[in-house]
Amino acid sequence: KAGVTQTPRYLIKTRGQQVTLSCSPISGHRSVSWYQQTPGQGLQFLFEYFSETQRNKGNFPGRFSGRQFSNSRSEMNVSTLELGDSALYLCASSLALKGTPASLEAFFGQGTRLTVV
Amino acid sequence: GESVGLHLPTLSVQEGDNSIINCAYSNSASDYFIWYKQESGKGPQFIIDIRSNMDKRQGQRVTVLLNKTVKHLSLQIAATQPGDSAVYFCAENRVNYGQNFVFGPGTRLSVLP
Repeated sequence: KAGVTQTPRYLIKTRGQQVTLSCSPISGHRSVSWYQQTPGQGLQFLFEYFSETQRNKGNFPGRFSGRQFSNSRSEMNVSTLELGDSALYLCASSLALKGTPASLEAFFGQGTRLTVV
Repeated sequence: GESVGLHLPTLSVQEGDNSIINCAYSNSASDYFIWYKQESGKGPQFIIDIRSNMDKRQGQRVTVLLNKTVKHLSLQIAATQPGDSAVYFCAENRVNYGQNFVFGPGTRLSVLP
């Protein structure tokens, strides 16, 4: 079956602009999580959406937001971009049924490399 | 490919030797753990998982050990191969809290010919 698809793969934006990243999860997966990866901070959890509702949220400012559609596809938006937002943004999909550990296994996309100049 | 981490601890092993990668996790309430492998230009890939009610789990060429007393995980790779060269991350989660992994800083494994 098809894996997790993230678009675009690469993006260059200017400070102050906003950006929207897209993630299509594996068919049947209702959970989509977003992570930011930087050399300095490593992999950090942004948020998780499950059945169109934000279920978990990491410690990122309100400039980072997301949503999930009825077909489980998810978008992540960053407003008022800062230089420090330059990172690889990874999307992960999973079944993520609470109380079922095996369903937490996350399948990652290849990521979107965002560069803010 | 993308740079995963410029200042990661690095483990260098000879091809055919066994590798042991260690990880300290942060939350004593975490009850589910995964090891991920990330190759350059790719997203993390699942290797093996373990629940907190176990202290050892084996897969194909890999073994994960969990020591809850000291909040420590290790990943053992038997007969390390060149294709094992990558960055390895441990990740912790709580089963009843959905998908909310906290990742360790990662270790770069370099396999020498």
